[in-house]
Order: sequence, then structure tokens, then C-alpha cells
Amino acid sequence: SQQGEEDPQALSIQEGENATMNCSYKTSINNLQWYRQNSGRGLVHLILIRSNEREKHSGRLRVTLDTSKKSSSLLITASRAADTASYFCAGGSGSARQLTFGSGTQLTVLP
Amino acid sequence: EAGVTQFPSHSVIEKGQTVTLRCDPISGHDNLYWYRRVMGKEIKFLLHFVKESKQDESGMPNNRFLAERTGGTYSTLKVQPAELEDSGVYFCASSQEAVSYGYTFGSGTRLTVV
Repeated sequence: SQQGEEDPQALSIQEGENATMNCSYKTSINNLQWYRQNSGRGLVHLILIRSNEREKHSGRLRVTLDTSKKSSSLLITASRAADTASYFCAGGSGSARQLTFGSGTQLTVLP
Repeated sequence: EAGVTQFPSHSVIEKGQTVTLRCDPISGHDNLYWYRRVMGKEIKFLLHFVKESKQDESGMPNNRFLAERTGGTYSTLKVQPAELEDSGVYFCASSQEAVSYGYTFGSGTRLTVV
């Protein structure tokens, strides 16, 4: 069964705007990660937030985690055309060595 | 340091044929993982090697899939015989520690079964 759900499934914005993607998960996690996949390329790790953290920043990225609601959000500020990609959240559990991914959000940034 | 390398990058095969995907992890990484994204759905875990041993193969969909990692270096994932629903992108990742972070993913193999 699908463990992580992301919304929106697709998002189209203008360059310079902010993009917000949300992720909900069902199982217990000890970290939540966000990945990006550009068309035809591999998964690139963007940022990790631990279960005892509520917010984290990295450059133009801001991620939040609400463990009570089992949800996370990824904000990309001042988006660029190069940010066009699929974005996935993935939950990591201390007991399992595998990641549980969401279905992804396809972000399109229009120049 | 070289990253995780996968090949081929693309493979188109007919239903019923056999395909073998290869993954070369980062040198020194004992942990190797296979994931796949089928039909635009979520990315799902297939299995985890620690050196040459299968630590967790709970995600392998059926016995048409065979993964090996002889010598604890590169890994292969064979699909025999391939079915239409096997089409998707197969990702490999490696890590030094057996934890749920710190992965480095390869660029994936896009498999199309026609």
C-alpha cells in the first residue's frame, strides 16, 4: 500500500514564484527526506529533517515536519526554470533500512 | 569519487524476454539497495544487500526477479521473463552505513517492456 502521499500531484508556476509541496505519511519515521528527479536522471537528495526537528532550511529550500499530523512540506523560494522536476518525499525508519517514498509532485517552472 | 552507476540507462524489450540491469555502487559502500518506480507511481523498495548477502528482499514482487551481488561489489537485477507491468525506472542506491539516510542514488534504468 502507498505509504506516502504528496499533493499536489502536479504544480505549474512562474519563475520567481514560490512552490510548496506537501507530503503525508502513515508509518512511524525517524527522518523525512526530500528528493528531486530531473527527467531521465537519478534521484538527488535535497534535504533531511529528523523527527525531533520542526523546520529546516537549506539555500532556497525550507522543509517543515509535523509528526502529530504525519505531514511535511517543502517550500522552494524564488523558483527557477531549472527547478522543474519531480519531487519526492521519503520516510526513513529506525527499524527498517529502506525508505518509503511518496508518489511525487511534478513541478513545472515556466520561464 | 565516482557515484553510483547504472546501466543500461534505457532498455526496451519484448514481453517474455530477459533483461539484466547492473548497478555499480560507490566503492567501499557495503549497502546496496534496489528501488523501482512503475507507471508513474511511487518509488518502491525492492531489496537491500549488505555486501553479498540479501539483508531484506521483502519488496521483490515475484520470482521473476532475481538480484545478485557476487563478491559484494556490483549488483545485477534480472527480470525473466519480463512482463508489461515491469516497465518503469529501476533505481539503485548505495550507502556506507545500513541506515535509512545517506544514500546515493544512481541515475536509474528505464525499462520498457512491449
